[in-house]
Amino acid sequence: GAGVSQSPSNKVTEKGKDVELRCDPISGHTALYWYRQSLGQGLEFLIYFQGNSAPDKSGLPSDRFSAERTGGSVSTLTIQRTQQEDSAVYLCASLWGTGGEETQYFGPGTRLLVL
Amino acid sequence: AQSVTQLGSHVSVSEGALVLLRCNYSSSVPPYLFWYVQYPNQGLQLLLKYTTGATLVKGINGFEAEFKKSETSFHLTKPSAHMSDAAEYFCAVSGTGRRALTFGSGTRLQVQP
Repeated sequence: GAGVSQSPSNKVTEKGKDVELRCDPISGHTALYWYRQSLGQGLEFLIYFQGNSAPDKSGLPSDRFSAERTGGSVSTLTIQRTQQEDSAVYLCASLWGTGGEETQYFGPGTRLLVL
Repeated sequence: AQSVTQLGSHVSVSEGALVLLRCNYSSSVPPYLFWYVQYPNQGLQLLLKYTTGATLVKGINGFEAEFKKSETSFHLTKPSAHMSDAAEYFCAVSGTGRRALTFGSGTRLQVQP
Protein backbone atom coordinates (compact mmCIF):
# COMPACT_ATOMS: atom_id res chain seq x y z
CA GLY A 1 0.00 0.00 0.00
CA ALA A 2 0.89 3.64 -0.17
CA GLY A 3 1.37 4.14 3.55
CA VAL A 4 1.42 2.47 6.93
CA SER A 5 -2.00 1.12 7.84
CA GLN A 6 -3.32 0.22 11.26
CA SER A 7 -6.41 -1.60 12.41
CA PRO A 8 -8.77 -1.16 14.03
CA SER A 9 -8.87 2.63 13.92
CA ASN A 10 -10.84 2.67 17.17
CA LYS A 11 -11.24 0.04 19.87
CA VAL A 12 -13.38 0.18 22.97
CA THR A 13 -12.89 -2.61 25.47
CA GLU A 14 -13.70 -3.46 29.04
CA LYS A 15 -11.10 -3.51 31.76
CA GLY A 16 -9.52 -6.93 32.02
CA LYS A 17 -10.05 -7.94 28.40
CA ASP A 18 -7.22 -8.63 25.93
CA VAL A 19 -6.81 -6.56 22.76
CA GLU A 20 -4.79 -6.98 19.57
CA LEU A 21 -3.69 -4.05 17.46
CA ARG A 22 -2.39 -4.57 13.95
CA CYS A 23 0.13 -2.69 11.85
CA ASP A 24 0.83 -3.12 8.14
CA PRO A 25 4.06 -1.32 7.27
CA ILE A 26 4.99 0.15 3.93
CA SER A 27 6.09 -2.65 1.61
CA GLY A 28 9.83 -3.19 1.72
CA HIS A 29 10.41 -1.33 4.97
CA THR A 30 12.41 -3.68 7.17
CA ALA A 31 12.19 -1.85 10.50
CA LEU A 32 8.96 -1.26 12.40
CA TYR A 33 8.23 0.71 15.57
CA TRP A 34 5.35 0.97 18.04
CA TYR A 35 4.69 4.15 20.02
CA ARG A 36 1.98 5.18 22.43
CA GLN A 37 0.47 8.64 22.64
CA SER A 38 -1.42 9.48 25.80
CA LEU A 39 -2.50 12.72 27.45
CA GLY A 40 -0.37 12.28 30.49
CA GLN A 41 2.76 10.80 28.95
CA GLY A 42 2.98 12.28 25.46
CA LEU A 43 4.57 10.15 22.75
CA GLU A 44 6.48 7.16 24.10
CA PHE A 45 8.46 4.45 22.33
CA LEU A 46 7.32 0.91 23.02
CA ILE A 47 9.22 -1.56 20.83
CA TYR A 48 11.28 -1.79 17.64
CA PHE A 49 11.51 -4.65 15.14
CA GLN A 50 14.28 -5.31 12.66
CA GLY A 51 12.89 -8.02 10.44
CA ASN A 52 11.05 -10.38 12.78
CA SER A 53 13.24 -9.82 15.82
CA ALA A 54 12.92 -7.09 18.43
CA PRO A 55 16.33 -5.71 19.37
CA ASP A 56 14.77 -3.02 21.54
CA LYS A 57 11.67 -3.62 23.62
CA SER A 58 12.72 -1.32 26.41
CA GLY A 59 9.60 0.83 26.19
CA LEU A 60 7.03 -1.87 26.91
CA PRO A 61 5.43 -0.67 30.16
CA SER A 62 4.66 -4.06 31.68
CA ASP A 63 4.57 -7.77 30.93
CA ARG A 64 0.95 -7.35 29.90
CA PHE A 65 2.29 -5.83 26.68
CA SER A 66 3.79 -7.98 23.93
CA ALA A 67 4.35 -7.69 20.22
CA GLU A 68 5.34 -9.89 17.36
CA ARG A 69 6.13 -9.50 13.71
CA THR A 70 5.81 -12.22 11.12
CA GLY A 71 7.20 -12.52 7.62
CA GLY A 72 9.06 -9.28 8.08
CA SER A 73 5.82 -7.44 7.50
CA VAL A 74 2.68 -7.30 9.65
CA SER A 75 3.05 -6.67 13.36
CA THR A 76 0.61 -7.24 16.18
CA LEU A 77 0.71 -5.48 19.54
CA THR A 78 -1.17 -7.38 22.24
CA ILE A 79 -2.28 -5.96 25.55
CA GLN A 80 -3.48 -8.52 28.06
CA ARG A 81 -5.82 -7.77 30.95
CA THR A 82 -6.28 -4.17 29.85
CA GLN A 83 -6.33 -1.41 32.43
CA GLN A 84 -7.83 2.07 32.15
CA GLU A 85 -4.34 3.59 32.03
CA ASP A 86 -3.77 1.69 28.77
CA SER A 87 -6.21 4.07 27.06
CA ALA A 88 -4.18 5.90 24.44
CA VAL A 89 -3.49 6.15 20.74
CA TYR A 90 -1.10 3.43 19.59
CA LEU A 91 1.00 4.49 16.62
CA CYS A 92 3.03 2.30 14.33
CA ALA A 93 5.86 3.50 12.10
CA SER A 94 8.03 1.85 9.48
CA LEU A 95 11.47 2.95 8.48
CA TRP A 96 12.81 3.88 5.09
CA GLY A 97 16.34 4.69 4.08
CA THR A 98 19.94 3.95 4.93
CA GLY A 99 23.20 5.76 5.39
CA GLY A 100 21.94 8.81 7.20
CA GLU A 101 18.64 9.05 5.39
CA GLU A 102 16.63 6.89 7.76
CA THR A 103 13.11 8.23 8.32
CA GLN A 104 10.13 6.79 10.17
CA TYR A 105 6.74 7.00 8.51
CA PHE A 106 3.71 6.78 10.76
CA GLY A 107 0.32 5.18 10.42
CA PRO A 108 -2.93 6.85 11.50
CA GLY A 109 -2.97 5.05 14.85
CA THR A 110 -5.42 2.95 16.82
CA ARG A 111 -7.37 4.81 19.46
CA LEU A 112 -7.90 2.48 22.42
CA LEU A 113 -10.40 3.22 25.15
CA VAL A 114 -10.55 0.93 28.17
CA LEU A 115 -13.75 1.31 30.17
CA ALA B 1 20.38 9.22 26.58
CA GLN B 2 18.37 11.75 24.64
CA SER B 3 15.70 14.27 25.43
CA VAL B 4 13.76 17.01 23.69
CA THR B 5 12.30 20.18 25.13
CA GLN B 6 9.70 22.15 23.23
CA LEU B 7 9.16 25.59 24.70
CA GLY B 8 5.52 26.61 24.67
CA SER B 9 2.78 24.03 24.64
CA HIS B 10 0.55 26.50 22.80
CA VAL B 11 1.54 29.15 20.27
CA SER B 12 -0.91 31.52 18.63
CA VAL B 13 -0.08 33.64 15.58
CA SER B 14 -2.04 35.70 13.12
CA GLU B 15 -2.47 34.54 9.57
CA GLY B 16 0.50 35.86 7.57
CA ALA B 17 2.73 36.23 10.61
CA LEU B 18 6.01 34.45 11.26
CA VAL B 19 5.78 31.03 12.87
CA LEU B 20 8.55 30.08 15.30
CA LEU B 21 8.35 26.83 17.24
CA ARG B 22 11.24 26.14 19.58
CA CYS B 23 13.02 22.85 20.10
CA ASN B 24 16.09 22.11 22.18
CA TYR B 25 17.60 18.66 22.42
CA SER B 26 20.06 16.71 24.46
CA SER B 27 21.98 13.84 22.92
CA SER B 28 25.12 11.92 23.79
CA VAL B 29 25.69 11.06 20.13
CA PRO B 30 25.38 13.13 16.96
CA PRO B 31 21.65 13.57 16.66
CA TYR B 32 19.18 12.97 13.92
CA LEU B 33 16.47 15.63 14.33
CA PHE B 34 12.93 15.66 13.02
CA TRP B 35 9.81 17.77 13.01
CA TYR B 36 6.48 16.02 12.62
CA VAL B 37 3.01 17.55 12.34
CA GLN B 38 -0.19 15.97 13.60
CA TYR B 39 -3.63 17.08 12.46
CA PRO B 40 -6.64 16.13 14.59
CA ASN B 41 -7.31 12.40 14.68
CA GLN B 42 -4.47 11.65 12.31
CA GLY B 43 -1.01 10.14 12.56
CA LEU B 44 2.27 11.97 12.39
CA GLN B 45 3.43 13.46 9.11
CA LEU B 46 7.09 14.26 8.54
CA LEU B 47 7.74 17.95 7.94
CA LEU B 48 11.51 17.89 7.70
CA LYS B 49 14.63 16.24 9.06
CA TYR B 50 18.29 16.86 9.74
CA THR B 51 20.67 13.93 9.64
CA THR B 52 23.97 15.17 8.24
CA GLY B 53 25.19 17.90 5.94
CA ALA B 54 23.56 21.29 5.49
CA THR B 55 22.30 22.65 8.78
CA LEU B 56 19.42 24.61 7.27
CA VAL B 57 16.82 22.16 6.09
CA LYS B 58 13.68 22.87 4.15
CA GLY B 59 10.56 20.83 4.45
CA ILE B 60 7.05 20.65 3.16
CA ASN B 61 4.48 23.43 3.30
CA GLY B 62 7.12 26.18 3.47
CA PHE B 63 8.62 25.15 6.79
CA GLU B 64 12.31 25.13 7.52
CA ALA B 65 14.56 24.48 10.50
CA GLU B 66 18.16 25.14 11.38
CA PHE B 67 20.37 22.77 13.33
CA LYS B 68 22.57 24.77 15.71
CA LYS B 69 24.93 22.44 17.49
CA SER B 70 26.34 25.13 19.77
CA GLU B 71 22.85 25.96 21.01
CA THR B 72 21.55 22.37 20.84
CA SER B 73 18.54 23.75 19.03
CA PHE B 74 16.43 22.84 16.03
CA HIS B 75 13.76 25.56 15.84
CA LEU B 76 11.03 25.36 13.23
CA THR B 77 10.06 28.45 11.25
CA LYS B 78 7.70 29.53 8.52
CA PRO B 79 7.69 33.10 7.19
CA SER B 80 3.94 33.42 6.77
CA ALA B 81 1.35 31.37 8.63
CA HIS B 82 -1.63 29.84 6.90
CA MET B 83 -4.89 28.83 8.53
CA SER B 84 -4.14 25.29 7.37
CA ASP B 85 -0.98 25.26 9.53
CA ALA B 86 -3.07 24.92 12.68
CA ALA B 87 -2.03 21.58 14.14
CA GLU B 88 0.24 20.03 16.76
CA TYR B 89 3.94 19.96 16.04
CA PHE B 90 6.42 17.52 17.53
CA CYS B 91 10.18 17.75 17.58
CA ALA B 92 12.02 14.44 17.85
CA VAL B 93 15.58 13.20 18.18
CA SER B 94 17.22 9.85 17.59
CA GLY B 95 20.71 8.48 17.51
CA THR B 96 22.03 6.87 14.41
CA GLY B 97 19.58 5.56 11.89
CA ARG B 98 17.40 2.91 13.37
CA ARG B 99 17.15 4.09 16.93
CA ALA B 100 13.75 4.92 18.33
CA LEU B 101 12.59 8.49 18.30
CA THR B 102 12.40 10.52 21.49
CA PHE B 103 9.71 13.15 21.19
CA GLY B 104 9.12 16.50 22.77
CA SER B 105 5.80 17.19 24.43
CA GLY B 106 4.44 18.98 21.39
CA THR B 107 3.38 22.52 20.53
CA ARG B 108 -0.15 23.28 19.45
CA LEU B 109 -0.14 26.02 16.83
CA GLN B 110 -3.23 28.18 16.51
CA VAL B 111 -3.59 30.54 13.56
CA GLN B 112 -5.91 33.48 14.01
CA PRO B 113 -7.63 35.04 10.97
